[in-house]
Amino acid sequence: QKEVEQNSGPLSVPEGAIASLNCTYSDRGSQSFFWYRQYSGKSPELIMFIYSNGDKEDGRFTAQLNKASQYVSLLIRDSQPSDSATYLCAVNIGNEKLTFGTGTRLTIIP
Amino acid sequence: GAGVSQSPRYKVAKRGQDVALRCDPISGHVSLFWYQQALGQGPEFLTYFQNEAQLDKSGLPSDRFFAERPEGSVSTLKIQRTQQEDSAVYLCASSLLGSWANTGELFFGEGSRLTVL
Repeated sequence: QKEVEQNSGPLSVPEGAIASLNCTYSDRGSQSFFWYRQYSGKSPELIMFIYSNGDKEDGRFTAQLNKASQYVSLLIRDSQPSDSATYLCAVNIGNEKLTFGTGTRLTIIP
Repeated sequence: GAGVSQSPRYKVAKRGQDVALRCDPISGHVSLFWYQQALGQGPEFLTYFQNEAQLDKSGLPSDRFFAERPEGSVSTLKIQRTQQEDSAVYLCASSLLGSWANTGELFFGEGSRLTVL
């Protein structure tokens, strides 16, 4: 079992709809959770991070964390074509390094 | 500079050649990380520095990989006797604080794309 698992997609969502991206992790000692967006050929850029159970909202983005289920998700409301990218889930277990999933490729259809 | 700078952006090497990849972190950043991202995969941790000290090199895939940060700023990742499986994007990231995970403030460079023929 990989430490951080994501559906690789591609996930296609109509413009204006809600995109839902999911991630599970195996280490119960995981402390903080990150969503990065990566455009093709570009570096990852941080969208959201969360470390407490529940929801965290920032503009059109909401991160949801459920430590009991070892599950973290990212919702993107009012999806825009510019949201089309690969979304990387990453987990930190309290040391300095991140463990990434393989990423979910999201396509927003105009 | 304003961000993390990596060079070269693209490198083609023949199998068996040695390569050196450079990372200029954001000025004053204490922590520096190297990650390897193969095509279609997420980044994988290679090594971590705090100032000039290499605190974790557990992700380096073999003894052909070596990283240094002698003055606590610029870092170089060296790969000796390159193999085809070394083909990947090598990402450098830096943060101001040692405990960056509490703030999420980890900044990635654009990466160096290595192709080994």
